[in-house]
Amino acid sequence: DTGVSQDPRHKITKRGQNVTFRCDPISEHNRLYWYRQTLGQGPEFLTYFQNEAQLEKSRLLSDRFSAERPKGSFSTLEIQRTEQGDSAMYLCASSFGQGRYEQYFGPGTRLTVT
Amino acid sequence: AQSVTQPDIHITVSEGASLELRCNYSYGATPYLFWYVQSPGQGLQLLLKYFSGDTLVQGIKGFEAEFKRSQSSFNLRKPSVHWSDAAEYFCAVGARTYNTDKLIFGTGTRLQVFP
Repeated sequence: DTGVSQDPRHKITKRGQNVTFRCDPISEHNRLYWYRQTLGQGPEFLTYFQNEAQLEKSRLLSDRFSAERPKGSFSTLEIQRTEQGDSAMYLCASSFGQGRYEQYFGPGTRLTVT
Repeated sequence: AQSVTQPDIHITVSEGASLELRCNYSYGATPYLFWYVQSPGQGLQLLLKYFSGDTLVQGIKGFEAEFKRSQSSFNLRKPSVHWSDAAEYFCAVGARTYNTDKLIFGTGTRLQVFP
């Protein structure tokens, strides 16, 4: 069990640029979640995948955000036309099975938009 | 709507002292409750969880938490704090909507430990 991994760990970009983050969940986990954490706040839910299906998106996820999990394994989160308000830590988590909420988190990707 | 409140933004204790971090939740059904710890610049590590059964749950690193339904609370405790416990602590409730088992987090409590 190598845990949840995320890449990159840090990303600095200029406003208006597109960025993409990757998450590799624990291998047997079929559920994958993205959260966003801003300074001084707890993580907030963004979106959820069960296998390759995206089953829920938060209202926080504007049209500039898109997430995929094409083969039910790794996932990507893309932000188009970044804004300074997108600066945050983006956390990925995974879990296994139905009815269990125990989620394991990756180290996060810290995005800074200048 | 589901929510989690952590009333203490920042707590300072001396090493070796006891610790209690408060958490109150709002949830219509039987809650699934969690405590996570986050070190600076890191992701979240699960300390302990409550699903059902015994209301006093034990976790890693010597932490425990007690679920009190009548008070809608799930406070985290440790009898003797170590300097390495300095971190941010998040309480969370598992909320099922449609097919999503998402977590709703409190705003966190930052723990500072003095030698």
